[in-house]
Amino acid sequence: AQSVAQPEDQVNVAEGNPLTVKCTYSVSGNPYLFWYVQYPNRGLQFLLKYITGDNLVKGSYGFEAEFNKSQTSFHLKKPSALVSDSALYFCAVRDMDSNYQLIWGAGTKLIIKP
Amino acid sequence: DAGVIQSPRHEVTEMGQEVTLRCKPISGHNSLFWYRQTMMRGLELLIYFNNNVPIDDSGMPEDRFSAKMPNASFSTLKIQPSEPRDSAVYFCASSFRTSGTYNEQFFGPGTRLTVL
Repeated sequence: AQSVAQPEDQVNVAEGNPLTVKCTYSVSGNPYLFWYVQYPNRGLQFLLKYITGDNLVKGSYGFEAEFNKSQTSFHLKKPSALVSDSALYFCAVRDMDSNYQLIWGAGTKLIIKP
Repeated sequence: DAGVIQSPRHEVTEMGQEVTLRCKPISGHNSLFWYRQTMMRGLELLIYFNNNVPIDDSGMPEDRFSAKMPNASFSTLKIQPSEPRDSAVYFCASSFRTSGTYNEQFFGPGTRLTVL
């Protein structure tokens, strides 16, 4: 069965430190992977995606993600965290059966402490 | 572009009342999604439209829920009669889909529904 796992409910990072939000997936074939961010009382905002090509994908707000096929992972990273990065982060993968649905992770709450 | 527009942003109603949520997708997008977000179940896809046609409504909880897309720039999600367990944040999202690509979805700000 296809799935996305975000193993950490919450990640705490000090401002200025690097951050990583983890995501692993299980799909057949080549995955299309996405990261979204949700600020309080807001809709989800697209951050970045991996379709094909370079395994390191750069996105909005200084975020990047690394696609690792052997580990079936797509971890979100940022070299230096800001307090304003505090939000809920969702990883998603295209549903290979329907080709229009996204399979969503449960979300990881990122807290950046000053 | 104004992005995906949803109204109302907040809705408080009493059990048994009819609720209508509205969505205006991004101009030029041909795919529209309605989602529901709760703490317990996370983000759930309710219904998916492509070119104004409902393609998949398997996520619609029951017959009390219905959705329409009369044209490319407007969609509604209706709950009749509403129940307290329908309380959630409802999101509309749109994207542009072609046969050879899969593009990201753009979300509206959501409607927070509270059914008393």
